[in-house]
Amino acid sequence: EPEVTQTPSHQVTQMGQEVILRCVPISNHLYFYWYRQILGQKVEFLVSFYNNEISEKSEIFDDQFSVERPDGSNFTLKIRSTKLEDSAMYFCASSGDREVNTEAFFGQGTRLTVV
Amino acid sequence: AQKITQTQPGMFVQEKEAVTLDCTYDTSDPSYGLFWYKQPSSGEMIFLIYQGSYDQQNATEGRYSLNFQKARKSANLVISASQLGDSAMYFCAMREYSGTYKYIFGTGTRLKVLA
Repeated sequence: EPEVTQTPSHQVTQMGQEVILRCVPISNHLYFYWYRQILGQKVEFLVSFYNNEISEKSEIFDDQFSVERPDGSNFTLKIRSTKLEDSAMYFCASSGDREVNTEAFFGQGTRLTVV
Repeated sequence: AQKITQTQPGMFVQEKEAVTLDCTYDTSDPSYGLFWYKQPSSGEMIFLIYQGSYDQQNATEGRYSLNFQKARKSANLVISASQLGDSAMYFCAMREYSGTYKYIFGTGTRLKVLA
């Protein structure tokens, strides 16, 4: 069964450092997302990506965040200068089309710890 | 205003009994999809079931069913014959036709199945 793959599963970084979270969405999917979840609480939308550009971003997704699909298979989230409050589980998701009844498939998440 | 509301932060159910997890939503879009995801303690997000706004019948998927009441804007998840493995966090989510097709999540309900 196709799945969304995220690496690494856990990353520890020092405050102020840059991190790149990597995702391989399901190969024929067109819509990609990043979500974050702090301490097992609410799943918060960060950004959606379609046709090689950002289609929407939340207010959380400020200038320190960026996304890229560098090679047609990987989808990355970069945090330029991490803060303590960036510690969270980050989920990548993809969906096959824009129909409202199409579910999103989620990766297993990357747990980011900023120290 | 909250688009998805889950008013039960935590629920207990006895093994083998049925349980209903509540979800209400808010949208003016006539076309939308409603989804339920399960998040076990291991952290991954597992898609369970969806309901389209135009679907005439309530969705069912094995032991999961959706009690969809469109006029009340509710889409409650019913789990029949609860099992210990059902203990997890459950999230209700919505995808609207208009906009950028992101999935909007509720705050979740933590379900504990008692032996």
